[in-house]
Amino acid sequence: GENVGLHLPTLSVQEGDNSIINCAYSNSASDYFIWYKQESGKGPQFIIDIRSNMDKRQGQRVTVLLNKTVKHLSLQIAATQPGDSAVYFCAETGVTGNQFYFGTGTSLTVIP
Amino acid sequence: NAGVMQNPRHLVRRRGQEARLRCSPMKGHSHVYWYRQLPEEGLKFMVYLQKENIIDESGMPKERFSAEFPKEGPSILRIQQVVRGDSAAYFCASSPGTGITEAFFGQGTRLTVV
Repeated sequence: GENVGLHLPTLSVQEGDNSIINCAYSNSASDYFIWYKQESGKGPQFIIDIRSNMDKRQGQRVTVLLNKTVKHLSLQIAATQPGDSAVYFCAETGVTGNQFYFGTGTSLTVIP
Repeated sequence: NAGVMQNPRHLVRRRGQEARLRCSPMKGHSHVYWYRQLPEEGLKFMVYLQKENIIDESGMPKERFSAEFPKEGPSILRIQQVVRGDSAAYFCASSPGTGITEAFFGQGTRLTVV
């Protein structure tokens, strides 16, 4: 299967600071990438996605950056809030597009 | 428009029993995906189904696990003769068409085998 991994398993930030969560992927043919947020006891919730023909995509307080040269994906959260505390997963669709390959996850803790 | 509904939310089974997990996709969605999540790990793909068809079951264990998505009713993930290692959260996602890029996840079923 595909190999999607995260650099850091945990991240703590002060409320109001910006957060950056990183992710590496192995399949250079992947066409679609997505970030999910998962709160304790809940299912993954869509945050933002990006296709391989883009380098950057912005949402509300979130930005995803894609560096295809080094096969690296990052999620930036501006002005991090306590409600942002969760586990964040990156995922890619691989070649077939039939499934997501998820990374292990990064646990983000926001310190008030 | 209700989201993806999974039930039960929590399921406890003794070793050797059968577990049946149900997933009702979002209205208008005809594609269902099942994922398993072990504690402190990411989600692992199990199976992808359309109505009455299994499209990709490359992530399903060869024994004891089966899935169906009948013409009427929810998708069912069935685990026979459960073992302690089957304890996990099982998530279902649904999408309106081919490919998972527009998929939404349910809240999951947490299976505990005692």
